[in-house]
Amino acid sequence: GESVGLHLPTLSVQEGDNSIINCAYSNSASDYFIWYKQESGKGPQFIIDIRSNMDKRQGQRVTVLLNKTVKHLSLQIAATQPGDSAVYFCAEKGPYNFNKFYFGSGTKLNVKP
Amino acid sequence: GAVVSQHPSRVICKSGTSVKIECRSLDFQATTMFWYRQFPKKSLMLMATSNEGSKATYEQGVEKDKFLINHASLTLSTLTVTSAHPEDSSFYICSARDPWRDNSYNEQFFGPGTRLTVL
Repeated sequence: GESVGLHLPTLSVQEGDNSIINCAYSNSASDYFIWYKQESGKGPQFIIDIRSNMDKRQGQRVTVLLNKTVKHLSLQIAATQPGDSAVYFCAEKGPYNFNKFYFGSGTKLNVKP
Repeated sequence: GAVVSQHPSRVICKSGTSVKIECRSLDFQATTMFWYRQFPKKSLMLMATSNEGSKATYEQGVEKDKFLINHASLTLSTLTVTSAHPEDSSFYICSARDPWRDNSYNEQFFGPGTRLTVL
């Protein structure tokens, strides 16, 4: 499967600050990406997605940036809150692989009050 | 909408026994479900794709005789860990696609996971 990795295993931020979580992917043909949030002992929760024909997508307090030139994905969280503390994964779907997703190694976000 | 459940949430078993984990889509029909495995502080590893009415397709390195998958209906897939050993202890998570949702471009809905501990 594709190899998807993250630059930072842990990230600590102060409440109210902006957070940036990064992800590198290896398959330049991947056409769809999702960021997931996973709290301890629970399944992943969808945050935001982006297709490969876009370079930016915004949601509520979150923005995903895609740089296909360097195969890099980032998740920006504005005004980070304690409830944002979790592990964040990027997931990658290549074309023609029947909707299978491959997950990156994850970044743990610690929000300090 | 788009709720996926798993049962049991936790299971402890003795080495050599078999354990069955159920994944259900509660409010939609899922022709395809996926099974993942997650070790502590690690990422999700795709194990197999479960297809309703046909055989599951396994990722490279996953033993199909060890991890039996059955997708008996459009709302239920089961994963059976056969002759479980301590190294099979892990967090098993399923996901399902709702192909009839307008905004479900490849989106998967995840279950809450099942924690398996093999003694």
